[in-house]
Amino acid sequence: AQTVTQSQPEMSVQEAETVTLSCTYDTSESDYYLFWYKQPPSRQMILVIRQEAYKQQNATENRFSVNFQKAAKSFSLKISDSQLGDAAMYFCASPAQGGTSYGKLTFGQGTILTVHP
Amino acid sequence: EPEVTQTPSHQVTQMGQEVILRCVPISNHLYFYWYRQILGQKVEFLVSFYNNEISEKSEIFDDQFSVERPDGSNFTLKIRSTKLEDSAMYFCASTGPSRETQYFGPGTRLLVL
Repeated sequence: AQTVTQSQPEMSVQEAETVTLSCTYDTSESDYYLFWYKQPPSRQMILVIRQEAYKQQNATENRFSVNFQKAAKSFSLKISDSQLGDAAMYFCASPAQGGTSYGKLTFGQGTILTVHP
Repeated sequence: EPEVTQTPSHQVTQMGQEVILRCVPISNHLYFYWYRQILGQKVEFLVSFYNNEISEKSEIFDDQFSVERPDGSNFTLKIRSTKLEDSAMYFCASTGPSRETQYFGPGTRLLVL
């Protein structure tokens, strides 16, 4: 079965500092995308960043960047200069295994990020 | 910027009643999905839909559930006879031909009493 593991149920960071959220996944796909989604208290799912597995360069989106280690199947999210608005639940997601999958995503359990002023 | 929309935002229903959750995917997208999230738990895949038919469904998606694309814009999830355990947030998502990124709607919060 497809698994995505977020080993940190909760993380906290001081405003303006940097925090890294961990994620490992398991897939037999060769080309795929990985995602981090943010879920604020409103519970909307907001795409934070996307990584294409065939690209060696780590994706960056403003203050958000990833550390993608394909061989280790690791996909961590780094948030720099943390802001109060970054406080949310963060989910890592990867595509399901199997060539017949129509792109369904498997999500990790989520990491609750608290930002302290 | 195009976005996925969902209605209603909240729905309260009695156990045994039928509910229909509605979604309008992004207009040029071809693949559509429903996910659910029970409070405090992770997001779980329910069903994917392509070319007017179900392409994949999970174990959760039993005979009580059905999906439909009744016209060119709406994508609906019907729960025929709701149970208490159907209380959850239901997310619709869509993606384009390359299936690179799924864009999620804001969700419908369903409460079954």
